[in-house]
Amino acid sequence: EVQLVESGGDLVQPGGSLRLSCAASGFTFSTYAMSWVRQAPGKGLEWVSVISGSGGSTDYADSVKGRFTISRDNSKNTLYLQMNSLRAEDTAVYYCAKERGAYGDFPLDYWGQGTLVTVSS
Amino acid sequence: DIQMTQSPSTLSASVGDRVTITCRASQSISSWLAWYQQKPGKAPKLLFHKASSLESGVPSRFSGSGSGTEFTLTISSLQPDDFATYYCQQYNSYSRTFGQGTKVEIK
Repeated sequence: EVQLVESGGDLVQPGGSLRLSCAASGFTFSTYAMSWVRQAPGKGLEWVSVISGSGGSTDYADSVKGRFTISRDNSKNTLYLQMNSLRAEDTAVYYCAKERGAYGDFPLDYWGQGTLVTVSS
Repeated sequence: DIQMTQSPSTLSASVGDRVTITCRASQSISSWLAWYQQKPGKAPKLLFHKASSLESGVPSRFSGSGSGTEFTLTISSLQPDDFATYYCQQYNSYSRTFGQGTKVEIK
């Protein structure tokens, strides 16, 4: 059974940093690309970032480019999102999601339950 | 970046109604479109990939169609479990984007 469990969400001050983790199990982690998707309170889904199965390719939404870094440790079956220079508008539930392939034209077929990041002074 | 526009934003319907949600892409995405269902407090669930390929376990009252820039999600006979928010997502480009969502409410 595929399981994705996010952690690391917290209350952080504007300008601060946070690292989210997503522990994966139930599938061959290194075979699949992974994404982060966020949802601000009462709002819709916003795709944040994707990383290929090997970790060699990444992409980011314009809203986080230069501030967030996606990475993965395939030996630990874990996905990460390093978030720097956080802003109030980054407040959201952050979901990690598995893509159906290594990198490219694939939907998000499994999702974690999310972790809440609140940026406020 | 490719923009995705859903309509309507909210849809009020009754059990048994046929409902259709539209999703338009700002440029052609071929059939690289997914539909997701999300219920309050829960993670999204994949309903369709490649615009019209129904995921295993999703009831056949759901159907998806379209290609290029215009896509539709149809529920042939709305059931109580279907009241939720629906999102389209393009995955034609590495920068994936979601539509803004359509909330299906009880009339």
